[in-house]
Amino acid sequence: AQKVTQAQTEISVVEKEDVTLDCVYETRDTTYYLFWYKQPPSGELVFLIRRNSFDEQNEISGRYSWNFQKSTSSFNFTITASQVVDSAVYFCALTPNSGGYQKVTFGTGTKLQVIP
Amino acid sequence: DTAVSQTPKYLVTQMGNDKSIKCEQNLGHDTMYWYKQDSKKFLKIMFSYNNKELIINETVPNRFSPKSPDKAHLNLHINSLELGDSAVYFCASSQAGGFPEAFFGQGTRLTVV
Repeated sequence: AQKVTQAQTEISVVEKEDVTLDCVYETRDTTYYLFWYKQPPSGELVFLIRRNSFDEQNEISGRYSWNFQKSTSSFNFTITASQVVDSAVYFCALTPNSGGYQKVTFGTGTKLQVIP
Repeated sequence: DTAVSQTPKYLVTQMGNDKSIKCEQNLGHDTMYWYKQDSKKFLKIMFSYNNKELIINETVPNRFSPKSPDKAHLNLHINSLELGDSAVYFCASSQAGGFPEAFFGQGTRLTVV
């Protein structure tokens, strides 16, 4: 069985602050994929990143960065210099390499509120 | 043009009714999905389907059935609606092979009264 835990239910930060969203996962699979999705107030789900378990390199995309640490089973997401437009619910997800999207498990989400 | 579009965006109906939610993708993807998001924002996959295979999450009641008239469409039919079916339903699509990005529709908020 696999599990994704996003312990932070809600986070509030003031604009321009940095914020880290935690994601801890459990899986018995040796190879797997991790994802982050953003769900803004308008409701749609927006893909942010996919990470293969083979690749532990951190990734940076603009103000977004991801820290994947296999040793602690964590895939944390940091937003630097947060903006009001970052306000959304963020989901971490996991799927086994062999399973495809049909075996994806989502975390319960972290609601981020960026206060102007 | 919207990549993955669902209709309707809102659906209010009475218990016991049968309803359908339509989904269309114009990305040329091979695989489509239906997800359910409950009131606590928990997301769970219901079905995945390509032109070869339908994979059903075993926890989904058989009142729910996907229908795919062609590769670009995957509609969701729900029979004998129950109060607990109230949720937001998302359609998504991806290309087959590997783990490409999955594109989601904007969701359909179903309210059963």
